This record gives sequence, structure tokens and C-alpha cells, in this order.
Amino acid sequence: EVQLVESGGDLVQPGGSLRLSCVGSGLTLSVFWMNWVRQVPGRGLEWVANINPDGSLKRCVDSVGGRCSVSRDNAGNSVSLYLDTLRVEDTAKYYCVAWSTTAYWGQGVLVTVSS
Amino acid sequence: EVVLTQSPLSLPVPLGQPASISCRSSQRLVSSNGATDFAWIHQRPGQPPRRLIYAVSHRDRGVPDRFSGTGSDSDFTLSITRVEAEDVGVYYCMQHSFWPHTFGQGTNLEIK
Repeated sequence: EVQLVESGGDLVQPGGSLRLSCVGSGLTLSVFWMNWVRQVPGRGLEWVANINPDGSLKRCVDSVGGRCSVSRDNAGNSVSLYLDTLRVEDTAKYYCVAWSTTAYWGQGVLVTVSS
Repeated sequence: EVVLTQSPLSLPVPLGQPASISCRSSQRLVSSNGATDFAWIHQRPGQPPRRLIYAVSHRDRGVPDRFSGTGSDSDFTLSITRVEAEDVGVYYCMQHSFWPHTFGQGTNLEIK
């Protein structure tokens, strides 16, 4: 069975940082563009970051800009998202998404930024 | 940033009837390699999203053939020939021709 399992979600104070991880099983992540998409509860979807298969191209959306870093470990079949200087508006469920001619989504992990 | 505008935002449909959702882009979605990187995403209540259609018209594995995607340039449509109960939820169009990748606002399909 193909699975993407995210971890690292937590309640964090504003200004704090967090690393989210995503591990694949039943699929080889090295052939996929790996992505992070977030969703504020009850709201729509926002593409946060992505990284190409060999890790040479990494991008974060402007709303997280320099506070964001995405990386991958193809040998470990995993990808990570690091968010710094967290804001209340970063509160959301974060999904790991493997994207190619097939696409797989994880179940998501909740990040809550609150004092 | 590419803005995707969906219509309608709410779509009540009787079981067995057809449905369609429109998505209009603020610019042509043909990328530098000539591809149109446009997809449709479905999210059932309480579930993670799932891709239904990629590259405008290609159904993902396991997606019933009652779903079809059409369109080009900046105008796209998702059609369902006969709505079934499992089709409820929110449908999003999205583009990954240009960074940042963007989603439409979502269309909530419910059974009338």
C-alpha cells in the first residue's frame, strides 16, 4: 500500500519554528516532485513549497518566503519542510504531496501557532 | 501570481444528473515546455485531497470515467456525467505551469 506519512505537527508559540517530515512507503519518492500544501481548517488549499526530484530546485511561496526551507533525502525516502518565525496565520493542516503522472497525498499534520 | 476563478462555488445536483465546474485562469497556462499543467482536485469532507485529473484531461488511476476534464489556454471544465453520492465534497482546480502554483477557491458539490 502506498503511503505518505507526515509528522512534526505541534502547537507552537508565535516566533517559534517547526520541522515537518514526510516519509514514503510503497513508493520511491526520488522520481516525484515533492510538495507541501496547507489548508486552514474550513478554508481552501495553498501550495507552500516544492522540491524537484534531485533536490536542485527548491521553492517556497511568498507568504512564507525566507521563513521556509524544503529538503529531501532520497536515500531515506523522505522530505522535510522547515518553517521559522511562525505566525498565527501559519496555522493549518500541512499535506505532503508526491506529484508526477501519479499523485499521492498524505493524511496531513496539524500545525497550530498560538500563544 | 496566476489567479484561478471557479464557478459556481456551490453546486447542488440530484443523484444521477450531470454536473460541470468551470475554471478560468488570469493568464494562459501553457508553460515554457509547451505543456498545460492544469489539474482538478477533489476533497471529500474530513478527507485529504485527491487528484482526479492532470494535464487538463488525463484521469488519475482509479478515477471513474464519468469524470472528464476539457479546456485549453485559460478556460477549463470538469464534467461529471452522472453524479453519485461519493462525489460530494469540494472540487478545486489548480495550475502548476507557473510558480507559485495556485488553486481555485473551490466548488462545493452537494446532493440535492
